[in-house]
Amino acid sequence: AQSVTQLDSQVPVFEEAPVELRCNYSSSVSVYLFWYVQYPNQGLQLLLKYLSGSTLVKGINGFEAEFNKSQTSFHLRKPSVHISDTAEYFCAVSSKGGFKTIFGAGTRLFVKA
Amino acid sequence: NAGVMQNPRHLVRRRGQEARLRCSPMKGHSHVYWYRQLPEEGLKFMVYLQKENIIDESGMPKERFSAEFPKEGPSILRIQQVVRGDSAAYFCASSPPQGLYTEAFFGQGTRLTVV
Repeated sequence: AQSVTQLDSQVPVFEEAPVELRCNYSSSVSVYLFWYVQYPNQGLQLLLKYLSGSTLVKGINGFEAEFNKSQTSFHLRKPSVHISDTAEYFCAVSSKGGFKTIFGAGTRLFVKA
Repeated sequence: NAGVMQNPRHLVRRRGQEARLRCSPMKGHSHVYWYRQLPEEGLKFMVYLQKENIIDESGMPKERFSAEFPKEGPSILRIQQVVRGDSAAYFCASSPPQGLYTEAFFGQGTRLTVV
């Protein structure tokens, strides 16, 4: 079975500051990893995904994440956040060849002026 | 190529009524997944279907909930005799056949309110 732990339920940060949203996963098989963003009353938008290859993955809106297999982590980073980045961020995992995507509980990023 | 289409976007039901949520996957996708998001919580997996088959329903409540994905037409999530605790956002996702899978594509969700 797979699971995802997002270590912070809320992250307040000032505009233009860097941010890191932490994600750890557990799985007995090789995995695909994802970060999604959800704005209020909206659906999920894929920010980035790791399937294979380079462990540093770049996504939309200036976000990037690094896959660390030894630490089973997939932390999301942005060097300078904007007010518009205020949203809920979900880390997710699925097994390669499997199809069920398991989500973390989410991290609410709140960007302050 | 239209994305995953869910309807209705918002649904209000009185306690005891039935709710039917529809999901049309992206063209060429043969796998459908349903998730539930309770207020202030993450997405919980409910069920994974292929055409005419339920592959994994480990997240489905044992009673009142059912899902289908017929040969023709959309996937349906059906909730019978709804209760207030069923109020949530229900998201559908779809993906290509095995071997082509890289991610699931999500719809905008159906927000069910039980009054």
